[in-house]
Parts: sequence; C-alpha cells; structure tokens
Amino acid sequence: AQSVAQPEDQVNVAEGNPLTVKCTYSVSGNPYLFWYVQYPNRGLQFLLKYITGDNLVKGSYGFEAEFNKSQTSFHLKKPSALVSDSALYFCAVRALFTGGGNKLTFGTGTQLKVEL
Amino acid sequence: KAGVTQTPRYLIKTRGQQVTLSCSPISGHRSVSWYQQTPGQGLQFLFEYFSETQRNKGNFPGRFSGRQFSNSRSEMNVSTLELGDSALYLCASSPGGTSGGLKLSEQFFGPGTRLTVL
Repeated sequence: AQSVAQPEDQVNVAEGNPLTVKCTYSVSGNPYLFWYVQYPNRGLQFLLKYITGDNLVKGSYGFEAEFNKSQTSFHLKKPSALVSDSALYFCAVRALFTGGGNKLTFGTGTQLKVEL
Repeated sequence: KAGVTQTPRYLIKTRGQQVTLSCSPISGHRSVSWYQQTPGQGLQFLFEYFSETQRNKGNFPGRFSGRQFSNSRSEMNVSTLELGDSALYLCASSPGGTSGGLKLSEQFFGPGTRLTVL
C-alpha cells in the first residue's frame, strides 16, 4: 500500500522568507509525486509533479520541489513567500505500474500561513 | 478549455435520503476520479472511471456508486445517507492512459460539491 506523510499541520513563515513544506512517501516501485494547493471553498489546484528525471522540479507560482529517493521525500519549496501563498497544501503519490488508473493517495495537508 | 465542472455546488439532505452528484470533465479527458474530503479523514479516493468502466475503487461501502457516460461525464450516487457522509466531494479529470505509458498526467480538480447531511 502507498502512503504519504506531511508531518506539519501548519507552517508559519514571514513574507519574503523561504518556505518549505515537508512530505515523505512510501510506495512499492517508482513513485509519481504531486503537490496540490487548496484555497478556502475551492478545489485542488495542481502545482507540480515528479515522474522521472531531474530531482528538482519547478512548478507554478514560483514553487519547486526536491525529490530525494534515499530519504523518500518530496519537499515543497519557494525562495520567497508571499501572503497570497497562504493556503492548504497537499502532497500526493500515485504508484506506477499499478495496472492502470489514477488513484492518488494524499497526505493530511499542511496549512501554510505567510505573515507580513 | 473550460475546467472541470461539478453540480450542484451545495446540497443539503437528510439521513436516509439518496443523492446524485454530477461531474463534467475537461473536454477530451476520459478519466474521471472522485474523492471525498472531510476534516477527520482528509482526502480519500472513492473510485475512478475510464471509458465508461470503473478502473479503480477505494475502500468505501457499497452505498457509494458511480457511473460514466459515453461523453465522459460522470455521476456519483450515495444512497441511504448518513451524517458521516457530510463532506466536500471532489471530481478530478485527466486524459487517461496507462500507468506504464508516457501519457501520465496530473489530475485537474473541480470546485467540489459540498454535501451536508442533517
């Protein structure tokens, strides 16, 4: 079975400072990793994904994530946080070669709060 | 392209009733997945439909069912509603393809249907 852990329920950061939202995963075989963001009363918006290739993945709105196979981690990062980045962030994993299909397993989410 | 649309956006039902939620995927997308989001359980996968066939199923009771039409639109039905079914139900679409192929794609989510069971 696949699983995702987001160890921090909430991350607080000052605007302009770098931010990191942590994610670790467990999956049989190679992972297919995603980050999504959710604003209040909205669906999930795709930020970035890792399939294969470079360990540093760049995504939307200046976000990036670093895939680390040995640590089974996929932390989300941004060099300079904005107040508008405040939202709920979800890490998700989909195992490859599961016989097809789009089943995503999500972490519990991390609330990011960026303060002035 | 228009995004994923879900109707209705809000729904209030009473225990024991049944409900049908609708999802229209992005044009050209053949895969539709459904997720339940609650404060206690987080985001949980319900099922996925691809080309009118259920391709994956999560660990939900048989009261939760779905179907997909030839135009890829999908409906989700919950029968004999319970208080615990109150949740945000999210639909996601993607082009489809197999896990071993090169057409893997992220899923695009709709705004969700907020179901309240009284």
